[in-house]
Amino acid sequence: KAGVTQTPRYLIKTRGQQVTLSCSPISGHRSVSWYQQTPGQGLQFLFEYFSETQRNKGNFPGRFSGRQFSNSRSEMNVSTLELGDSALYLCASSPGQGVYEQYFGPGTRLTVT
Amino acid sequence: AQSVAQPEDQVNVAEGNPLTVKCTYSVSGNPYLFWYVQYPNRGLQFLLKYITGDNLVKGSYGFEAEFNKSQTSFHLKKPSALVSDSALYFCAVRAYGQNFVFGPGTRLSVLP
Repeated sequence: KAGVTQTPRYLIKTRGQQVTLSCSPISGHRSVSWYQQTPGQGLQFLFEYFSETQRNKGNFPGRFSGRQFSNSRSEMNVSTLELGDSALYLCASSPGQGVYEQYFGPGTRLTVT
Repeated sequence: AQSVAQPEDQVNVAEGNPLTVKCTYSVSGNPYLFWYVQYPNRGLQFLLKYITGDNLVKGSYGFEAEFNKSQTSFHLKKPSALVSDSALYFCAVRAYGQNFVFGPGTRLSVLP
C-alpha cells in the first residue's frame, strides 16, 4: 500500500498570502489529522477529520481551516500568513478513531517570508 | 485535559547498552499510549502502542514499552542500542473520542 502523501513538499510564501496544503491518506483510511511541528512548540494538533466531518480541533486561530473530501483526501488552508506560521505541517491517517495508530506523511515545509 | 511529559530532552547511550526513554501522561479515563520515532527531514513512524492487556508491549526494531498505571508512565526500552536508533522519539496519548496529544520529544543519541 502506498503511504500518506503530502503536496507540496516545500513552499515559500509571503506574509499576508494564503496557502493550501493537500494530503492523501493510505487507501482505506477514513481519519485524517493535521499537525504543526516547530522546534519551539513541538507537535501541535490542528484538526482531525473522519468521514468528511471535523471531529476534533486544536487551539489555533480561525485562519487555519481544513476539510475532507468523500475520498478521504484532506486539505488545510492557512489565510493571512504570518511569519510564525513557518513550520513543518504533518498529515496523518488512520483507519478510524480511538485505538488506531496514525501513519504520518513526510510533511510540507512552509516558510513564510 | 490530556498531557504528556518526556522529562529528558536528550538521552545519550553507548552502542550495545540498554536504553530507556521516559514518558509520563495524564488523561481522564483509560489511556491509549503510543510511541513514534522521527528521523531527520521525515515524518513520524509508528513504533508501538498500548491499548489494553499485557503491560509490556513489543514493537518495531526491537523496541518495547512498559505501561505502569500507578505511575502513569509508558517508558520506551530496548535491550541493546544501535547507532541507527539515533533519532527523535515522541510519546503520545489519546483518550477515546479525543485527539492525540504528543510529548515534546526526546532526542536519542547512540554513541559508537
